[in-house]
Amino acid sequence: SQQGEEDPQALSIQEGENATMNCSYKTSINNLQWYRQNSGRGLVHLILIRSNEREKHSGRLRVTLDTSKKSSSLLITASRAADTASYFCATDAGAQKLVFGQGTRLTINP
Amino acid sequence: GAGVSQSPRYKVTKRGQDVALRCDPISGHVSLYWYRQALGQGPEFLTYFNYEAQQDKSGLPNDRFSAERPEGSISTLTIQRTEQRDSAMYRCASSTLGGRFDTGELFFGEGSRLTVL
Repeated sequence: SQQGEEDPQALSIQEGENATMNCSYKTSINNLQWYRQNSGRGLVHLILIRSNEREKHSGRLRVTLDTSKKSSSLLITASRAADTASYFCATDAGAQKLVFGQGTRLTINP
Repeated sequence: GAGVSQSPRYKVTKRGQDVALRCDPISGHVSLYWYRQALGQGPEFLTYFNYEAQQDKSGLPNDRFSAERPEGSISTLTIQRTEQRDSAMYRCASSTLGGRFDTGELFFGEGSRLTVL
């Protein structure tokens, strides 16, 4: 079963613009993680935010977490063609396993 | 290599045959996970191990699926009497954390694509 749901399912923007993806989940969590996947290859971890954190930054990435709304957002600033990929949120609900959402397909147009 | 290694990368088999998919995790990683990913979907949890102990197999679809990690390192996912619906990408991931209350970063392999004819 999928816990996280990403929104939108697909997003297409121009290079240099900012991209925002959202994730909603259903149960309480220990942490929430974001992963990137290029063209069906292996998933790569981007960032982890714990349930007691509200915002976290890593380079051009900014993640927010609102546990009261059970939602998270991933912001990619100054997008580049290389950011074209699928982005997945994954939640750790305390069973030492991550449950992934369906993903957002991001396309950066030159 | 330094990353998670999976083999075979591609497997085509006929319906009814058994297949074994192998995962070699990052050296020293305590936890090992198996996921299945359909095209255009997110990874779906199958099972995971801490060391050689299988901690959770709730995601295995039925009793044709089994996994083992006998020495706490390499793991094998076995599918018996394969069916066409088993066709998917099977992904392995490993992690340093074997803790009970927090799942850390997962390092994924490139996956094994299974096609059942």
